[in-house]
Amino acid sequence: SQTIHQWPATLVQPVGSPLSLECTVEGTSNPNLYWYRQAAGRGLQLLFYSVGIGQISSEVPQNLSASRPQDRQFILSSKKLLLSDSGFYLCASVEVARANVLTFGAGSRLTVL
Amino acid sequence: AQSVTQLGSHVSVSEGALVLLRCNYSSSVPPYLFWYVQYPNQGLQLLLKYTSAATLVKGINGFEAEFKKSETSFHLTKPSAHMSDAAEYFCAVTLDNYGQNFVFGPGTRLSVLP
Repeated sequence: SQTIHQWPATLVQPVGSPLSLECTVEGTSNPNLYWYRQAAGRGLQLLFYSVGIGQISSEVPQNLSASRPQDRQFILSSKKLLLSDSGFYLCASVEVARANVLTFGAGSRLTVL
Repeated sequence: AQSVTQLGSHVSVSEGALVLLRCNYSSSVPPYLFWYVQYPNQGLQLLLKYTSAATLVKGINGFEAEFKKSETSFHLTKPSAHMSDAAEYFCAVTLDNYGQNFVFGPGTRLSVLP
């Protein structure tokens, strides 16, 4: 089965600074990859998903961008962070062999001050 | 488009009592349904899934859920709550085989009282 690695696990950044969160997947090939955000006390918000290298779909207009430079690597970025970007960011992958089950990484907690 | 509602953002039960977390969905075609659990500061972990086989689905940690098409429901139950069950629970639905359109409910926080 697949394993999803996310780093960093926690990050504290000042407003206006850049951001890079990385997600890598092991144990599968050509997965669909997703970035979700959880704001405090709220549910999951889908930010981006990717069906292949260089293919990114954005679900919500925002201050963030995503890239997929390699098959099993998914990066979430920002050039200038806002206070509202604080939250818990989760990377997820669909493993076709497990009948469309979403598998999640452990998450990255971002605090923007 | 499909949607998911979870009745009760916060549910409290006593240790040993029945756990019932409610999930209703709306979908024009039979969906795939899931329950995920999230412990503090962790990712989501799959509890169980319904993929058009048996309507009563058994998952990990003693949880089970029953798909009722007539009620468009997929409620999660556990006969006897443990302290370790305290967590956030999410119901989710998708219509396709490749997960491009997962829709999550808002979540229910379960507290287990000693």
